[in-house]
Amino acid sequence: AQSVTQLGSHVSVSEGALVLLRCNYSSSVPPYLFWYVQYPNQGLQLLLKYTSAATLVKGINGFEAEFKKSETSFHLTKPSAHMSDAAEYFCAVSDPGGFKTIFGAGTRLFVKA
Amino acid sequence: EPEVTQTPSHQVTQMGQEVILRCVPISNHLYFYWYRQILGQKVEFLVSFYNNEISEKSEIFDDQFSVERPDGSNFTLKIRSTKLEDSAMYFCASSGQSEQFFGPGTRLTVL
Repeated sequence: AQSVTQLGSHVSVSEGALVLLRCNYSSSVPPYLFWYVQYPNQGLQLLLKYTSAATLVKGINGFEAEFKKSETSFHLTKPSAHMSDAAEYFCAVSDPGGFKTIFGAGTRLFVKA
Repeated sequence: EPEVTQTPSHQVTQMGQEVILRCVPISNHLYFYWYRQILGQKVEFLVSFYNNEISEKSEIFDDQFSVERPDGSNFTLKIRSTKLEDSAMYFCASSGQSEQFFGPGTRLTVL
């Protein structure tokens, strides 16, 4: 069975600082991995995805993530946080057939001025 | 760019009433899904649907829930007798041969 663990339910960074949101996955088959962002009272916006091509994936809004099979990790980073990055971030995994997506519990990112 | 759409964006209902949430998947997709997100919690898989039948469902998806593809474009989630704990955001998704695309969600409030 697939699962996702997000370390840290809350992360707080200063504006301009590095953002690092951690995600570890468990999957019996090569997974597809995703990061979604959710702003208050809104839907899910896909930030980036890994679907077995390049291990370093670049997404929207300056975010990127690296797939590390040996560590079963898919951490999300951004070199310089902006106030508008404050939101909930969900890591998710699915099998390559995409029959269902399993979401992590989410990490709420706070950005301090 | 094609997208998944959902209606209504917000539905308010009384406990015990039936509700139908509607979704229009991306037109050439064959797999359809419903997910639920209770306020402040993670997104949870409810059900997947392929070839006019349920392919997988979670333990949340009990007899109160049903899904249907009544025509060539819509995909619906019906809750027969709503409970207070059904209040949540419901997301529809569809997929072809790879990843899923999510709709904007319907916020269901049960009073």
